[in-house]
Amino acid sequence: AQSVTQLDSHVSVSEGTPVLLRCNYSSSYSPSLFWYVQHPNKGLQLLLKYTSAATLVKGINGFEAEFKKSETSFHLTKPSAHMSDAAEYFCVVSETYMEDEYGNKLVFGAGTILRVKS
Amino acid sequence: GAVVSQHPSRVICKSGTSVKIECRSLDFQATTMFWYRQFPKQSLMLMATSNEGSKATYEQGVEKDKFLINHASLTLSTLTVTSAHPEDSSFYICSASQGGNQPQHFGDGTRLSIL
Repeated sequence: AQSVTQLDSHVSVSEGTPVLLRCNYSSSYSPSLFWYVQHPNKGLQLLLKYTSAATLVKGINGFEAEFKKSETSFHLTKPSAHMSDAAEYFCVVSETYMEDEYGNKLVFGAGTILRVKS
Repeated sequence: GAVVSQHPSRVICKSGTSVKIECRSLDFQATTMFWYRQFPKQSLMLMATSNEGSKATYEQGVEKDKFLINHASLTLSTLTVTSAHPEDSSFYICSASQGGNQPQHFGDGTRLSIL
């Protein structure tokens, strides 16, 4: 079975400084990996996804993530934090099932709450 | 594109009533819809997977008679919490996918509070 570990439950940064949200995964085969963001009382918005193409994935709002197979990591970064980035972030691995016909089942990490200080 | 609308956004009702939550894909056809539950300060837990025209597949520990799922068309799935009790209070989120390797697109969630 696949699993995801988000190493930090809370991360606090100052506005304008870099953001690093860490994620490690375990998978029996080549996974699909995602980062989603959730603002309070809202659903999830896809930031970016990795599906075995380029290992450095660029997403929306200036975020990017690098897939490192040797480290089984998929850390999310942003060069300069903005106040609007404050939210909860979920690292997600896709688990293939039902012969791919009906889509992939997602396994969520526990989430990392990002706080941005002014 | 890829907008998922979930309704209602918030429900407060008495214990024993049944509550229906709708999930609609507005600009794409969703072969598969997923229903999640999120407890405070916790991650999302998949409850069931719904495929258009067939019975939903429930995760272990989720009561299918308690949480009725219907996916009657390629743009609509409903979750009905039957005879709801305070322990069913939670944040319910749906997502929709076109299947295969297509990503899931999430609704804004429904905050259910049972008094």
